[in-house]
This record gives sequence, C-alpha cells and structure tokens, in this order.
Amino acid sequence: AQSVTQPDIHITVSEGASLELRCNYSYGATPYLFWYVQSPGQGLQLLLKYFSGDTLVQGIKGFEAEFKRSQSSFNLRKPSVHWSDAAEYFCAVARPSNTGKLIFGQGTTLQVKP
Amino acid sequence: DVKVTQSSRYLVKRTGEKVFLECVQDMDHENMFWYRQDPGLGLRLIYFSYDVKMKEKGDIPEGYSVSREKKERFSLILESASTNQTSMYLCASSLFARPRGNTEAFFGQGTRLTVV
Repeated sequence: AQSVTQPDIHITVSEGASLELRCNYSYGATPYLFWYVQSPGQGLQLLLKYFSGDTLVQGIKGFEAEFKRSQSSFNLRKPSVHWSDAAEYFCAVARPSNTGKLIFGQGTTLQVKP
Repeated sequence: DVKVTQSSRYLVKRTGEKVFLECVQDMDHENMFWYRQDPGLGLRLIYFSYDVKMKEKGDIPEGYSVSREKKERFSLILESASTNQTSMYLCASSLFARPRGNTEAFFGQGTRLTVV
C-alpha cells in the first residue's frame, strides 16, 4: 500500500536559519509529489509539486524540494526561514491517474523562534 | 483564482443528528474530495467524486455518505453524528487531468465539526 512518512512531528528553528523538512514515501513507481502548507485555522495551500523532469523543484515563498528516487524522498528546504513560515507542512503523493487522489503524511509543525 | 468554499467554518452538533457539510468550487473541476484531518494522522480521504452522481469510497468512508447532484457542489453527510466524528473536514477539487494525474488539488478553508 502507498504511504507517506514525515519523520518529524515538530521542528523549531530560529528566524533566518535554514530549514529542511523530511518526507519519505512508499510506492511501487514514481508517484506525483506535493508539499502543502497550512496556516492556523486555514485550508491547505500548495507550495510546490513534482511530476517529472528536473528533480529540484522551486515553489512559492522561497521553498524548494528535491526528489531523490534512490531514497524515495522528497524533502522540502528553505535557506532562510521567516517568522511567517510557522505553520503545518504536509507532504503528499498521488498515483499517476486522472483522479488526483492524494495520500498525505502526518504533517510537520514548524515553530520559528525570534 | 480557484475558489473552494465550505459553507461553515465551525459547527456544533448533537450525537445522533444528521449533519450536512457543503462544498462549492467555481473552476469547473471534475474531481472533488472530502478529507478528514486529525492531529498526528494527517489528512485521510473519506470520499471522492470524479463526475456528477459518481462517487467512490476513500480510506475511511464508514459513517459518511456523499452527494454530487451538480458539478460544482459536493456534500458530505454524517447520517448519525457520533463524538468520534469530531474533526476538521476539508473539501478539495481538481481537474480530471490529461496527461494522467498532472494536476493539483485546491482546498477549502475547512469546517471544524464538534459533536457533543
């Protein structure tokens, strides 16, 4: 069965520090990969997505993610975190199909220290 | 901009009540989804629909049903609400994409349901 694991439930970083959120997936082939962000009390906003091609993808708000097939990983990075980045982050995968059904990880809550 | 609108941000219902959660999207998307979000569990798919009157069960359909009479509207129904259905419910929509799967889901703001 397909699954997504985000090993870190909570992460705290200082403002201006770099950030990496981990995501590992279990799937028989290369799925489509997504990172979403959820601010408190809000819905989910897409940060970036990977379907094919260049394994380093750029997203909104200065985020990027790298797909590593050999490690079944799709880690999210940001070189310098801002206080407004405090939120919950979800990694998700989709089987290549027309339905677009997403399987989500458990989420990582990011806290930013001033 | 794509807009997915959920009719209520907060709901409080009593055990045994029939509860309707409504979702409307304005981008002519074929696919619509209902997810449930619980701390530590991420989002889990309850039901999805890829066309009017079409529906398929997701991972946790028990205790829920859905209705899609019009393309833009997808309703989640709790036939007899129970306290273990207290949760955040998120609706999403996406294109029925060609090439296959090359699409993204857009989410509503969520409905926080409390069953007492």
